[in-house]
Amino acid sequence: EAQVTQNPRYLITVTGKKLTVTCSQNMNHEYMSWYRQDPGLGLRQIYYSMNVEVTDKGDVPEGYKVSRKEKRNFPLILESPSPNQTSLYFCASSWGQLVTDTQYFGPGTRLTVL
Amino acid sequence: SQKIEQNSEALNIQEGKTATLTCNYTNYSPAYLQWYRQDPGRGPVFLLLIRENEKEKRKERLKVTFDTTLKQSLFHITASQPADSATYLCALGDYKLSFGAGTTVTVRA
Repeated sequence: EAQVTQNPRYLITVTGKKLTVTCSQNMNHEYMSWYRQDPGLGLRQIYYSMNVEVTDKGDVPEGYKVSRKEKRNFPLILESPSPNQTSLYFCASSWGQLVTDTQYFGPGTRLTVL
Repeated sequence: SQKIEQNSEALNIQEGKTATLTCNYTNYSPAYLQWYRQDPGRGPVFLLLIRENEKEKRKERLKVTFDTTLKQSLFHITASQPADSATYLCALGDYKLSFGAGTTVTVRA
């Protein structure tokens, strides 16, 4: 089944404890990205990657890191999480190198930072 | 700065009626505009993409218009059903994708 998977789905952690949220797609997509969704603010793009080894900042990159060493994986790293990073996170992928192709979203990761 | 605004109020309609949602944008010149559906606790699902040279696009009971002069897109759900109840998001961009906050539609049986 074609899909985008994220792990973990739910995570409660404490301030300053490094964490990684994994994202993997099995559709051979070039473009991958991370979003956070907060009430009243909608979806905001954190980072995107047009292809392997090429990543760039979205609208809210502060406090996050990403890497794209393989085409299928795009992990999101929080080196020192803070409470303002409590949010619902989505990974997405698409076929081409532009977001004009259909974006396929993962199921989401709900992160709480205490 | 770039801004995308959708109907700020939730939309409650009777089954069988047409729901019309608005997406307005400023400081953009998008070549494409997309609409997504999102159910509570789930990731958005792509519905339609419309290009700047397309005035209207249809998919089953959905219709989207795109007016680059008014900087506005309208999203219509005709013959609405309770199963259409969800939040609908518009999105713009080419390398970076920006979303509106969404409009929550509730269809009453």
